[in-house]
Amino acid sequence: NAGVMQNPRHLVRRRGQEARLRCSPMKGHSHVYWYRQLPEEGLKFMVYLQKENIIDESGMPKERFSAEFPKEGPSILRIQQVVRGDSAAYFCASSPSTGDEQYFGPGTRLTVT
Amino acid sequence: GNSVTQMEGPVTLSEEAFLTINCTYTATGYPSLFWYVQYPGEGLQLLLKATKADDKGSNKGFEATYRKETTSFHLEKGSVQVSDSAVYFCALSDRGNAGKSTFGDGTTLTVKP
Repeated sequence: NAGVMQNPRHLVRRRGQEARLRCSPMKGHSHVYWYRQLPEEGLKFMVYLQKENIIDESGMPKERFSAEFPKEGPSILRIQQVVRGDSAAYFCASSPSTGDEQYFGPGTRLTVT
Repeated sequence: GNSVTQMEGPVTLSEEAFLTINCTYTATGYPSLFWYVQYPGEGLQLLLKATKADDKGSNKGFEATYRKETTSFHLEKGSVQVSDSAVYFCALSDRGNAGKSTFGDGTTLTVKP
């Protein structure tokens, strides 16, 4: 039973490029969460999705960031026109239902040069 | 809104010492409470959980009791090992708030031989 998978594990982008981060939740999980972790800081909630729907995006910047979780395929966190401040580890988590514990992926470490 | 406050780190202990990491929360409903652990370069892993008042979660020698009267969920271990060195996150999940999870800022634990 594979865990939460994220790819790529490491992503380097130049300022102004687009970054696409993918997350495949655990089998049977329809709830996906995205978090950002800056160096030496805690975990900050970004967005919560449930198949094809955004439930809560209160932690996601209004501009340049978007997320989706299509009926088929992985969840995608998209960052357009990246800036140096976007450099961070981005973690995806999934759960089988609302309020359950979350299972985390290994993260994607984004570096903007 | 909901919030989680945990003891600031870093915490440095000698092997076999007693560990306490304090965690208090604020929530409007009846949340589930969790402790997650993050080893260097990895995603978060669930360490233990408690879903209602007076429940005790335990795993790998770690324990935490859900105290509704003091809104606390302190993490304890009687005898730490070097391999326990990691970052520990306290979190709550509120079913009444679309299951959104709120994480503390994390406490870094270093155990020296």
